Order: sequence, then structure tokens, then C-alpha cells
Amino acid sequence: QTVVTQEPSFSVSPGGTVTLTCGLSSGSVSTSYYPSWYQQTPGQAPRTLIYSTNTRSSGVPDRFSGSILGNKAALTITGAQADDESDYYCVLYMGSGIGVFGGGTKLTVL
Amino acid sequence: EVQLVESGGGLVQPGGSLRLSCVASGFTLSSYAMHWVRQAPGKGLESVSVISSNGDSTYYANSVKGRFTISRDNLKNTLYLQMGSLRLEDLAVYYCARADFWSGPIRDPWGQGTLVTVSS
Repeated sequence: QTVVTQEPSFSVSPGGTVTLTCGLSSGSVSTSYYPSWYQQTPGQAPRTLIYSTNTRSSGVPDRFSGSILGNKAALTITGAQADDESDYYCVLYMGSGIGVFGGGTKLTVL
Repeated sequence: EVQLVESGGGLVQPGGSLRLSCVASGFTLSSYAMHWVRQAPGKGLESVSVISSNGDSTYYANSVKGRFTISRDNLKNTLYLQMGSLRLEDLAVYYCARADFWSGPIRDPWGQGTLVTVSS
């Protein structure tokens, strides 16, 4: 069974830079899995931040960027702001049709 | 405005059935694969099912296979999720979302979600 791994939590200072990662329990993440990142604040629907590795969704500030780092997908937030405090989910689309979600990373900005 | 609006959630007893709907506006539903994603209280997001743009292909998470059926009516711009043999663990907010193609990434917008409560 495919397991997508994410850091359970992360902390960043306002104005700082943080990189969240998304890996596989077995194997490497590749661009062919269209790694994507979704942001969710409590009580709200998810919002698409990055799809297909590094394409920002409409209206997403350019301080959010996606990449492949080593054998993982990565989401980098440059110049973190207080309202970036959210849950971030990585999803890999591995050919079955549906995406495999990671467990999410709870980002704290303090 | 491009929008997805879910409805049909509610309280149902274990073993019961429910049908969720997701109405699309501002875009042509028939151009997109469509997903259902759910979130149990305090838990992460979980893929439930996907259907291709013309409805010919579907896929289900193991947790709902054989109990849920995804379908669509492109003329009505509506996506459905027929849920049967509901279990306590199906309690969740259910979201619909679109993707440009089968096995492609979910893109914005997401619906606001509809809550399914399974309880005796």
C-alpha cells in the first residue's frame, strides 16, 4: 500500500522561510505523479496552492513555490505570514485516477 | 464565477443510504474529471472516488468500494455520490472538486462541503 509521508508539524517565524516535504514510503516522488499541495484552515474547504509539481493556482502569491528536492516533493514558503498558519496536504496522483493524500502538515507561524 | 456547490448531506443511521449532489456553475462540467474527497472530524483529507469526464471510468477507495457509486449528469452539470451501507466511519464532510483529466491533479475550486453524519 502506497503511503505518502509528510512532517506532522512545522514551525516558522514571521518573515522566515520554510520547506515542507512530501515523500513515499517506498520509492521516489517524480513529476509524473503530479505532486500537488493544498492548504486548509480550520472549518474551511481546501484551497489548491500548487499543482503538477510547481504550477501555482490562480491567485496564489509567488512566495509559495513547489519543487522536487531529492526524492521528495517540496513546498517552500518564503516570507511566511501569520495567515499562512494552516494545514498543508500533499497529494500524489499515481495513475489509478484518485490522488493519495499525505497526512498533512500543521504549520505554525510564531 | 466558477463554483461547485454540494448538497444532500444529513443524519443517517448505520446501514442507511444517502445521495450527495454537486452542482457546477461557471464552467462546463463535461470537460473535467470529478472527484469526491472527504474529511472525518479532526482528521486529514481522504480521496473517495473519481469519475472521468464522460463517465466511462470510475475508481473508488478501498474503504468505500462496493458501497458507494459515483455518477454524473453532464447535461444537468451535476455530480453525484450514492452512498449505501453507511458505517460510523463514513461520518465526514464530503467535498467535490475537479481535475483537468483522469489521474490529473485536483484544481480549484473545491466545493464548500456537505456533512454526512452516521449515527444511531
